[in-house]
Amino acid sequence: KQEVTQIPAALSVPEGENLVLNCSFTDSAIYNLQWFRQDPGKGLTSLLLIQSSQREQTSGRLNASLDKSSGRSTLYIAASQPGDSATYLCAAEMEYGNKLVFGAGTILRVKS
Amino acid sequence: EPEVTQTPSHQVTQMGQEVILRCVPISNHLYFYWYRQILGQKVEFLVSFYNNEISEKSEIFDDQFSVERPDGSNFTLKIRSTKLEDSAMYFCASAQGLAGGNEQYFGPGTRLTVT
Repeated sequence: KQEVTQIPAALSVPEGENLVLNCSFTDSAIYNLQWFRQDPGKGLTSLLLIQSSQREQTSGRLNASLDKSSGRSTLYIAASQPGDSATYLCAAEMEYGNKLVFGAGTILRVKS
Repeated sequence: EPEVTQTPSHQVTQMGQEVILRCVPISNHLYFYWYRQILGQKVEFLVSFYNNEISEKSEIFDDQFSVERPDGSNFTLKIRSTKLEDSAMYFCASAQGLAGGNEQYFGPGTRLTVT
């Protein structure tokens, strides 16, 4: 059974800092790894999707990497801003069926 | 930009009552999903739907739950007899095509409160 773990559970950084969020998964039989942002009481906004054949994906200040064989993905946020404060979730799309298995998230607070 | 919409945003119901949560997926998407998030817990998969039938369901999705695509635009989740533990945020999602490269886009959620 796929287990997705995110570290750290919470992170507080000053504005402008570069930061890394970590995601690990136990079953490497995945199609994709998707990163989401969730604001309090709101839905999930897709940030990046990395296909299993890819190593990296970039969107603006965000860069996500995937190492399928070691069961790890990282989300790198450059030059963090207070507006980046949210919960960041990673989710693995399984090869067998296309459901997403989510981690518990990293709560990010960027202080101005 | 196209988006997934859900109604209502908040539903309060009494234990034992039936509820229907509604979703309008993105119009050219073919795969539809329901997930739920109990307060303070992980987002959990409930069911996926393709070509007018369930393609996968979790152990949570028991006989009390059903899904339907009654017309070309709506996708619904019905809970026949709600329990206190059904209180959660329910998210609908849709994806354009086959697994292996297609992002799932989520709606804003329906907060279900069972009293």
